[in-house]
Amino acid sequence: DTEVTQTPKHLVMGMTNKKSLKCEQHMGHRAMYWYKQKAKKPPELMFVYSYEKLSINESVPSRFSPECPNSSLLNLHLHALQPEDSALYLCASSQDSLGSYEQYFGPGTRLTVT
Amino acid sequence: QQQVKQSPQSLIVQKGGISIINCAYENTAFDYFPWYQQFPGKGPALLIAIRPDVSEKKEGRFTISFNKSAKQFSLHIMDSQPGDSATYFCCTGRRALTFGSGTRLQVQP
Repeated sequence: DTEVTQTPKHLVMGMTNKKSLKCEQHMGHRAMYWYKQKAKKPPELMFVYSYEKLSINESVPSRFSPECPNSSLLNLHLHALQPEDSALYLCASSQDSLGSYEQYFGPGTRLTVT
Repeated sequence: QQQVKQSPQSLIVQKGGISIINCAYENTAFDYFPWYQQFPGKGPALLIAIRPDVSEKKEGRFTISFNKSAKQFSLHIMDSQPGDSATYFCCTGRRALTFGSGTRLQVQP
């Protein structure tokens, strides 16, 4: 099974809402990633978890809060977002994070902030 | 900082033609140079990757050419097919991937 699943597929939320994005993989990978992708732009790295510990935070605003409950799950908690946060949020995993160029991406959650 | 510059931004090729996408990188301390392919509504998927000590790597119709002295690498798609229509990203990075700006390829039947 080389699949990364993400839920929900689509999410519309107001600026005062709290919501969570979920990501799951069962490939035994020990590194998981969150990316943000705006329309017609490349994915931009937000967070990296390695062995369930946060190893990279690319200066992401605190209204985005990642969580890695176990080696298969990755969450992204959202609170007080801005309309400019509307984007496709991609989750990815790899065997480990050090020097790993082979990442498996989920289909993403398309987020709209109203 | 921009670690990799990709061109062209978009490319239209006739079926059966050759598609060529170019990338130039700045930092020499990378272990691999992968290319990712992304179809609309999908996440990116690894297409092919090359190590910097190799000048060319071929997988089926896809070939990476690597020029270490010029700090450039390119993707060639031979016999391009409509099913190849997608956005292609070159990447660099060590602990994390940095994506190029992307090339939207359209192969016309």
